[in-house]
Amino acid sequence: EAGVAQSPRYKIIEKRQSVAFWCNPISGHATLYWYQQILGQGPKLLIQFQNNGVVDDSQLPKDRFSAERLKGVDSTLKIQPAKLEDSAVYLCASSLTTTAEQFFGPGTRLTVL
Amino acid sequence: SQQGEEDPQALSIQEGENATMNCSYKTSINNLQWYRQNSGRGLVHLILIRSNEREKHSGRLRVTLDTSKKSSSLLITASRAADTASYFCATDYTSGTYKYIFGTGTRLKVLA
Repeated sequence: EAGVAQSPRYKIIEKRQSVAFWCNPISGHATLYWYQQILGQGPKLLIQFQNNGVVDDSQLPKDRFSAERLKGVDSTLKIQPAKLEDSAVYLCASSLTTTAEQFFGPGTRLTVL
Repeated sequence: SQQGEEDPQALSIQEGENATMNCSYKTSINNLQWYRQNSGRGLVHLILIRSNEREKHSGRLRVTLDTSKKSSSLLITASRAADTASYFCATDYTSGTYKYIFGTGTRLKVLA
């Protein structure tokens, strides 16, 4: 079974630039998550989708971050404009249901200079 | 918001010893999960324990849950160098929506 795919794996940008991350979840998984993990901390949930609807985005900085999940499958997370404090690993995960175990992708390491 | 806090923050043991890490949380839960994160395999699910369960086993892993104390523990028996990783508990949180919140993690180092 194919796992959660993410791209790119690494990205270096300057502050105030824009960046986009892509995630392809496990086939059939209705729930998709984007997490931000800063070095030395646990993953922080940014946004959670159920199919193509947003069920939680309470910790998403909506003035600069946006995410969509078209057709309830792939998802993109965008940051515009980036700030230094956005440097982190961005993890995508998916699960069959909201209560089930989550399967994580390898993450995208973002460095904002 | 509710969050699990792992204790200790870091743990260093010899290969073959047992490792115990704890997770405390603030409000009632339905489920609690443990995850492992290392550089090679990323974040991987280990065990899910429900609020009506007290103990669960998976191979060398044993998880306990004490809902009266709002705490869980993860025991790794006969540790191996490959167990070197960060371990996180994730507690569910329901307030309008259902989601899991990850703790701060325990960094385990197993010395060969």
